[in-house]
Amino acid sequence: VQLLESGGGLLQPGGSLTLSCSGFGFTFGHYAMTWVRQAPGKGLEWVSTISHSAAETWHSDSVRGRFSISRDNSRNTVFLHMSSLRVDDSAVYYCAKDSPHTQYTSGLLLEYWGQGTQVTVSS
Amino acid sequence: DIQMTQSPSSLSASVGDTVTIACRASQGIGRSLAWYQQQPGKPPKLLIYDASTLQSGAPSRFSGYGSGTDFTLIISSLQPEDIATYYCQKHNSPPWTFGQGTKVEIK
Repeated sequence: VQLLESGGGLLQPGGSLTLSCSGFGFTFGHYAMTWVRQAPGKGLEWVSTISHSAAETWHSDSVRGRFSISRDNSRNTVFLHMSSLRVDDSAVYYCAKDSPHTQYTSGLLLEYWGQGTQVTVSS
Repeated sequence: DIQMTQSPSSLSASVGDTVTIACRASQGIGRSLAWYQQQPGKPPKLLIYDASTLQSGAPSRFSGYGSGTDFTLIISSLQPEDIATYYCQKHNSPPWTFGQGTKVEIK
């Protein structure tokens, strides 16, 4: 299993950015996918999750209304669309795959993680 | 929303020591508690789920127990490669909140 994130960068407050994560080595369309972020020197923060079929999405309170998550199972890719970015959105953004143990349930176990992509929001 | 609180925030122990980390949920979550290990500069790894089930490939010196609101991660015989920050996470329903982390260092 491999997860490869891309799309990070440096941008100004109020800007928009889309992150991508491609999955390899598993049946992508069978698993929920999640974005977790980690600000410099801080802990892990769950951001957004999308169900295997894209029928359901969930967002943390800190990003709801500004971020959206989508996926293209034909391309084995999940996206995080970020808008109205703030300085406190600066973080490494990790993409993670759900575990078979919580597959098709309301549970979420993050079995595999990508290496992360850096997003820096600064004026 | 349910909050997850870990203690201590950091600890220092010697190689071979037994280390315990606590995680408390603000409301009962049954046994839906996971532990992750994040070594410096790396992404997190799933260690334990359902409070006490060891993830495939995780070393047997890691164990967990608890239910309801109080959970514990135990590292028996601490090894140099266990230097990391450990996070608990409620995994039953959204939001799937993490604890703030416990940093483990070698004395």
